[in-house]
Amino acid sequence: GQQVMQIPQYQHVQEGEDFTTYCNSSTTLSNIQWYKQRPGGHPVFLIQLVKSGEVKKQKRLTFQFGEAKKNSSLHITATQTTDVGTYFCAGPDSWGKLQFGAGTQVVVTP
Amino acid sequence: KAGVTQTPRYLIKTRGQQVTLSCSPISGHRSVSWYQQTPGQGLQFLFEYFSETQRNKGNFPGRFSGRQFSNSRSEMNVSTLELGDSALYLCASGSSGNSYNEQFFGPGTRLTVL
Repeated sequence: GQQVMQIPQYQHVQEGEDFTTYCNSSTTLSNIQWYKQRPGGHPVFLIQLVKSGEVKKQKRLTFQFGEAKKNSSLHITATQTTDVGTYFCAGPDSWGKLQFGAGTQVVVTP
Repeated sequence: KAGVTQTPRYLIKTRGQQVTLSCSPISGHRSVSWYQQTPGQGLQFLFEYFSETQRNKGNFPGRFSGRQFSNSRSEMNVSTLELGDSALYLCASGSSGNSYNEQFFGPGTRLTVL
């Protein structure tokens, strides 16, 4: 079955630095979604990418969908303490079930 | 619009018991999905309901079941609880009957099995 993998599992970042988290699927995806879960909270939808090679920006966050629609990345510039949390990517499998990656847990050091 | 609500927020049960969790989706949303979240396994899909019909089911044993009512509210039931069922159970609502649209998650029910 489809597998969605994320790397790295943990990301320790100094405040002000940039970092990137990656998402890879074993199969081609119709779309990729990104969610953020703050500590003690629930996942909150960030964005959806649909087109091959699509790039979308939300302030300091840049999301990219690969040309083959099997991978995606989230790049955060000038990390702030408010960026703390776990970032999940998710894509629907052939049955329409949303498969989540294991997430990248981001810790920001002031 | 009110968000997704889940009750109860916390639950403590013992092995062998059963539990019922409730989810009320965002008004107008007809799709409800359930997920189990554990530190080791991440977010695992349980099932999805749309207009009272189960459209998808994840790889969980038959002890896990669910249903959806005509008002789109959903319940999930876990019978014969095991220690490994301890987890955060999240429900998410969507505006359409597939996962092509964003999912709005509720705060979750934290289940502890002793």
